[in-house]
Formats: sequence, C-alpha cells, structure tokens
Amino acid sequence: QKEVEQNSGPLSVPEGAIASLNCTYSDRGSQSFFWYRQYSGKSPELIMFIYSNGDKEDGRFTAQLNKASQYVSLLIRDSQPSDSATYLCAVNRPPNQAGTALIFGKGTTLSVSS
Amino acid sequence: NAGVTQTPKFQVLKTGQSMTLQCAQDMNHNSMYWYRQDPGMGLRLIYYSASEGTTDKGEVPNGYNVSRLNKREFSLRLESAAPSQTSVYFCASSVSTSGAYEQYFGPGTRLTVT
Repeated sequence: QKEVEQNSGPLSVPEGAIASLNCTYSDRGSQSFFWYRQYSGKSPELIMFIYSNGDKEDGRFTAQLNKASQYVSLLIRDSQPSDSATYLCAVNRPPNQAGTALIFGKGTTLSVSS
Repeated sequence: NAGVTQTPKFQVLKTGQSMTLQCAQDMNHNSMYWYRQDPGMGLRLIYYSASEGTTDKGEVPNGYNVSRLNKREFSLRLESAAPSQTSVYFCASSVSTSGAYEQYFGPGTRLTVT
C-alpha cells in the first residue's frame, strides 16, 4: 500500500467553483499533514498544515482531517485560474520531531478554467 | 530574508563527473533536507540533517553524500554522476510551529547527466 495517495487528476473546475482535493495515508502514527502547491517548473510552496481532526480555514483554503479514516482534504473556494497547479499532500513520518521526514503524495493537478 | 537558496540553478554533467549542490537558509532553522523530484515518482528524500552536526539517510541515499557545514548550509555531493541521477533537486529547511514541522523549499537545481 502506498504511503500517501492522491488522485493524479487532472481535476478541472470552472472559475468561481469549489475545488476539492483528497489524500489518504497509511501510517496511523502520522500527526502532521501538509498541503503544498507547486506551479510548473517551480518549487513546492506550503499552503497550510493541520494536525487536529476537523477543519482549518485560511482565506479561501480549508484543510480537513479525519484521522479515523486516514483522510486529508483541501478545499479551495472561489477557484481562480491562478490556482491552476499541482497540489501535493505530505504527511510526517513518525515520530513527529526535529528532522522528521515528510512523505509526499505524487500530487493532483488542478486546472481552473475562466 | 532570502529564505532557502540553492546553487546552481541548472547543471549538465557527463557520466562519471562529480559536483556539489549548495544550499543555504537564513531562517535559523535547525533541520535541513535534500529531495529529488522525478516525473511520476513524486518527491523523495535523499538525506536530512535534524540539527547541525548530524546527518541521516533518507529514502534514496545511494550515490550521494552530504555535509552539514554549519547551521545555515547543507550541501549534496554526487561523486560519480550517473544518468539515473538526472532529476530536479530541492533543498528544504524546517521549523516547528505548534508541534508541526513545516518545511520550506528552495528554488531547485535542475541536473542532467548525459
């Protein structure tokens, strides 16, 4: 079983819609969950992280975590063409401490059409 | 703050040549990492350094060596480059925020080995 799984997409949504990106992970000991955005030819950029069950909102972005189901999602409200990128889900490899490695999914490509 | 910087941005090597990729961060982070990113494979951890003076192998360390020169700098060396090492290399550093170790990435080095 792959450690962090994402649908590769592409996920296509019209401008103004809600984009929903999903991620599952295999290690129940993982405690921190991250979403990165990566534009083509650029480096990953941290959008937000979450470590408690439930929702965490930051502007147009909402991260959702369900540890029982080992499921993390990212919702992007009012999607803009500038949101078109690959979104990487990352999970810490236990234990959660200095130097802790992140395990990355392969990413979901989002395309927002105007 | 420049954040995480990497040199060079691009490099072409012939098989068997050696080179060192340089990484520096000015955010006073303790932990630093080297990843490679290949199409269809996602980001994979090569080596990491939890703190100054320590280094550890990641997922794909073969063919690489690292040096944590001081708190700011973490270099990656290819002693005898092989075509399989053609990749994009990212350096990252991390800080603990509320118990989650957020990683911040440099702009990357695009390496081609012929």
